[in-house]
Amino acid sequence: GEDVEQSLFLSVREGDSSVINCTYTDSSSTYLYWYKQEPGAGLQLLTYIFSNMDMKQDQRLTVLLNKKDKHLSLRIADTQTGDSAIYFCAEIPTSGTYKYIFGTGTRLKVLA
Amino acid sequence: DTGVSQNPRHKITKRGQNVTFRCDPISEHNRLYWYRQTLGQGPEFLTYFQNEAQLEKSRLLSDRFSAERPKGSFSTLEIQRTEQGDSAMYLCASSLRTGNDGYTFGSGTRLTVV
Repeated sequence: GEDVEQSLFLSVREGDSSVINCTYTDSSSTYLYWYKQEPGAGLQLLTYIFSNMDMKQDQRLTVLLNKKDKHLSLRIADTQTGDSAIYFCAEIPTSGTYKYIFGTGTRLKVLA
Repeated sequence: DTGVSQNPRHKITKRGQNVTFRCDPISEHNRLYWYRQTLGQGPEFLTYFQNEAQLEKSRLLSDRFSAERPKGSFSTLEIQRTEQGDSAMYLCASSLRTGNDGYTFGSGTRLTVV
């Protein structure tokens, strides 16, 4: 079945790096995404990676993709208090649909 | 363009009442999506439109739910005979036709059924 798994919580100190992990199920997924959700708000697209890439870097964000293990990670360098939020990974399974399958989200808490 | 706009932001209704939410997508986006998010969960797909055509509906979308996008611009989501289990955040998003470079989400409508 379709299921995207994430750990529920992560706590880091300000200035440290954060690594948020995700395991997805559809090995044929062509695009994988990371979204950020702040309290009471909608989801904000952070970055995405095409499945033929292993890594993508965008300023403080680094996405790593391991297709063999169906594992996706998001590394945030120099984590700031403003990074405290819930982070969702999502895939578009290649079943002829354009809907996302979202993970349950990882709540990142940044300690000052 | 100010992004995807959803109204109202919050809605409290009594069980059994009907409610309607509105979504105004980014004007050049021809795909529009509705998702539902309950507390502590990721968003779950409900339905999506390409222009005015509703192309896919989730089995989560019971007969009490209906969505429209009459002119391929704004969309409405109506829930009839609301139940307490309908309490959730309803999120709208839009994208260009391919959608591969991600959606733009609205801030959502939080529904509370009492």
